[in-house]
Amino acid sequence: SQQGEEDPQALSIQEGENATMNCSYKTSINNLQWYRQNSGRGLVHLILIRSNEREKHSGRLRVTLDTSKKSSSLLITASRAADTASYFCATVNSGNTPLVFGKGTRLSVIA
Amino acid sequence: ETGVTQTPRHLVMGMTNKKSLKCEQHLGHNAMYWYKQSAKKPLELMFVYNFKEQTENNSVPSRFSPECPNSSHLFLHLHTLQPEDSALYLCASSDRGSGELFFGEGSRLTVL
Repeated sequence: SQQGEEDPQALSIQEGENATMNCSYKTSINNLQWYRQNSGRGLVHLILIRSNEREKHSGRLRVTLDTSKKSSSLLITASRAADTASYFCATVNSGNTPLVFGKGTRLSVIA
Repeated sequence: ETGVTQTPRHLVMGMTNKKSLKCEQHLGHNAMYWYKQSAKKPLELMFVYNFKEQTENNSVPSRFSPECPNSSHLFLHLHTLQPEDSALYLCASSDRGSGELFFGEGSRLTVL
């Protein structure tokens, strides 16, 4: 299965702290993507990292990819209460099969 | 606003009802998807359409019937559902070349 597995399942931090979430997957990928979901809403694409990239930045987001370990991490710096949401990783393999998601990490940022 | 609109946002139905969920995308994408999101479970891919042709059906029960009349519209017809089918149903679209999915806000379905 291409399913990404996020770790931890839940994370609670104070506003201003950094939040790190991890994702592991099982097979070779074309790219890995991170999404965010506010409670009861749709998912929003955050960032895509290709298999030949090791790190990517977007604003306060930093994503790393280690294909040898089949893992990725999402770092949110200087967190805000508005970052409270669930975060999901998903992978696309070389055959471009549809994204398969994990259960996500629930992030709570306390003001 | 993601460019993907789902209606209705909330639906309550009995097990003998027939209802439909609608999804429309204004992004010019050529692939559309239905996902099911239940509490404490990963998002489950249900159906995929590429250029109006169904390319994925992940062993979904026949009480869920998708329809894709054109590349901008996707329906999920619901018939004789079970209470365990209560979930958030998410529609998404993509340009197959990019892989990035654009999701609608979802339709919250409750089956009584």
